Amino acid sequence: EAQVTQNPRYLITVTGKKLTVTCSQNMNHEYMSWYRQDPGLGLRQIYYSMNVEVTDKGDVPEGYKVSRKEKRNFPLILESPSPNQTSLYFCASSYRLAGASYNEQFFGPGTRLTVL
Amino acid sequence: RKEVEQDPGPFNVPEGATVAFNCTYSNSASQSFFWYRQDCRKEPKLLMSVYSSGNEDGRFTAQLNRASQYISLLIRDSKLSDSATYLCVAIYGQNFVFGPGTRLSVLP
Repeated sequence: EAQVTQNPRYLITVTGKKLTVTCSQNMNHEYMSWYRQDPGLGLRQIYYSMNVEVTDKGDVPEGYKVSRKEKRNFPLILESPSPNQTSLYFCASSYRLAGASYNEQFFGPGTRLTVL
Repeated sequence: RKEVEQDPGPFNVPEGATVAFNCTYSNSASQSFFWYRQDCRKEPKLLMSVYSSGNEDGRFTAQLNRASQYISLLIRDSKLSDSATYLCVAIYGQNFVFGPGTRLSVLP
């Protein structure tokens, strides 16, 4: 089954304790992205990656890191989480045909993070 | 960062009603557009792509007006199961820009 998976689905942690949220897709998509979703603010892009070893900042990158060492994986790293990073996080992947725009994104099920 | 704006919600409509959502985008270089549906605390799921000529999928019709830079979604014969938040998305280059979403509640 084609899918994007994220782990963990729920996480409660404390300020300053480094954490990683994993994301994996099995569709061979070159494009992957992380979003956070907060009430009233909609989906905001944190980082995206157009291919292996190619990453770039989205709208709200502060406090986050990513890496793309393999095509299928795109982990999100919070080196020193703070309470304002409490949010619902989604990973997504997409693809495009040669010379065309990107197609729709496929989303993972989300990770609900609480930082105390 | 160019924005995508949507009608403020919530829309509360009776079953069987027709409801329309609009979405405006500010970047004229936007190339592709989509409507997503998101149920509470779940991931967004693609509802339909939006083509320049307009397109229909059952009770759903999407339209694009590049001159005025807006897209629309029309839902006919609303069902209780249509209750969700509807997100529009504009893509320019490698940037996916989501609107804040419009919440729809279909009432019995």
